[in-house]
Amino acid sequence: DTEVTQTPKHLVMGMTNKKSLKCEQHMGHRAMYWYKQKAKKPPELMFVYSYEKLSINESVPSRFSPECPNSSLLNLHLHALQPEDSALYLCASSQDLAGLSYEQYFGPGTRLTVT
Amino acid sequence: SQQGEEDPQALSIQEGENATMNCSYKTSINNLQWYRQNSGRGLVHLILIRSNEREKHSGRLRVTLDTSKKSSSLLITASRAADTASYFCATDVFQGNTDKLIFGTGTRLQVFP
Repeated sequence: DTEVTQTPKHLVMGMTNKKSLKCEQHMGHRAMYWYKQKAKKPPELMFVYSYEKLSINESVPSRFSPECPNSSLLNLHLHALQPEDSALYLCASSQDLAGLSYEQYFGPGTRLTVT
Repeated sequence: SQQGEEDPQALSIQEGENATMNCSYKTSINNLQWYRQNSGRGLVHLILIRSNEREKHSGRLRVTLDTSKKSSSLLITASRAADTASYFCATDVFQGNTDKLIFGTGTRLQVFP
């Protein structure tokens, strides 16, 4: 199974709502990532989890809160978002062996619209 | 910004022609990867070339890497309409004990049947 799944596919939320994005992989990967992608732009890294610990936070506003409950799951909790946070949110995973680098497997993304 | 640059930004060709995309980056890298993205979908990994490699092939794909010039190219030979997509280079760099990808600006490829 080389699939990364993301739910929901689409999400519309108001600025006062609280919602969560979910990501799951069953490839035994120990590194998981959240990216944000605006239209016609490249993906921008938000967070990296390595062995279920947050290892990189790219100065993301606190209204985005990541969580890694176990090695297969990654959540992104959203609260008090702004319209400019509307984007495609991508989850990815990869093997994470010290000193080596591997390709990342991406999910299909969640299209988020903040109204 | 550490972001890499790709050119051209957009490329339109006929089926059967070759497509070449170029990527320039700014920092030292562990490896360089190429990804493909169909409109509004997730990214698909195409090929990874390590910093000590100069050229790599995979099917109709050929990637070169010149670390002295901090540049890479992706060649797609005998293109097909199904190759229509956005293509991104991504440099793999270490931050602390973790490696991360920094994506280039991307090339939008349109292949006409």
